[in-house]
Amino acid sequence: DGGITQSPKYLFRKEGQNVTLSCEQNLNHDAMYWYRQDPGQGLRLIYYSQIVNDFQKGDIAEGYSVSREKKESFPLTVTSAQKNPTAFYLCASSIGGRHYEQYFGPGTRLTVT
Amino acid sequence: AQSVTQLDSQVPVFEEAPVELRCNYSSSVSVYLFWYVQYPNQGLQLLLKYLSGSTLVKGINGFEAEFNKSQTSFHLRKPSVHISDTAEYFCAVSGAVSGGGADGLTFGKGTHLIIQP
Repeated sequence: DGGITQSPKYLFRKEGQNVTLSCEQNLNHDAMYWYRQDPGQGLRLIYYSQIVNDFQKGDIAEGYSVSREKKESFPLTVTSAQKNPTAFYLCASSIGGRHYEQYFGPGTRLTVT
Repeated sequence: AQSVTQLDSQVPVFEEAPVELRCNYSSSVSVYLFWYVQYPNQGLQLLLKYLSGSTLVKGINGFEAEFNKSQTSFHLRKPSVHISDTAEYFCAVSGAVSGGGADGLTFGKGTHLIIQP
């Protein structure tokens, strides 16, 4: 079965700690994305990568970092510099190009206290 | 920059009644338009998309949407809803400039469709 895997489903961290969210895809897609979802706010783009070893900031990249060392993987690190990290994080991938739909993973709900 | 407006945050509808979820966008360039559905605590699933050609687009689960360039709208419709259609629905655009990222989607804030028995 092809798809996108995000782990874990729920994640709890203490304030001041960095945390890394996993995203893996076996769809052979070139492009991968990270979005943040807050209640009543829709989805906002954090980072995206169109090809291995390259990535670009989205609308709300401050306090986050990513890497793209393999085509299948695009981990997101939420750093202690992110002022309000509690949210639902969604990873997506696509063939690439603006007319192709994005396929989404099941999401990770991060709670920082 | 582009933006997407979903005018209704919640839409309550009785089962088997028709429904329309409204989406308006603003853009100075050609756009591609998408509707996604999200069930509680899950990722998003594509319902349908408009790229070009016929302005009436049919999607999964009996949904359809009509692209209206003059009104910059892409409203989603279903002639008869079922209790299983209860979910959050997101309209999204992609174009030459999409928010701050050249290749990401710009989403509306979502409409919660509530089906009443």
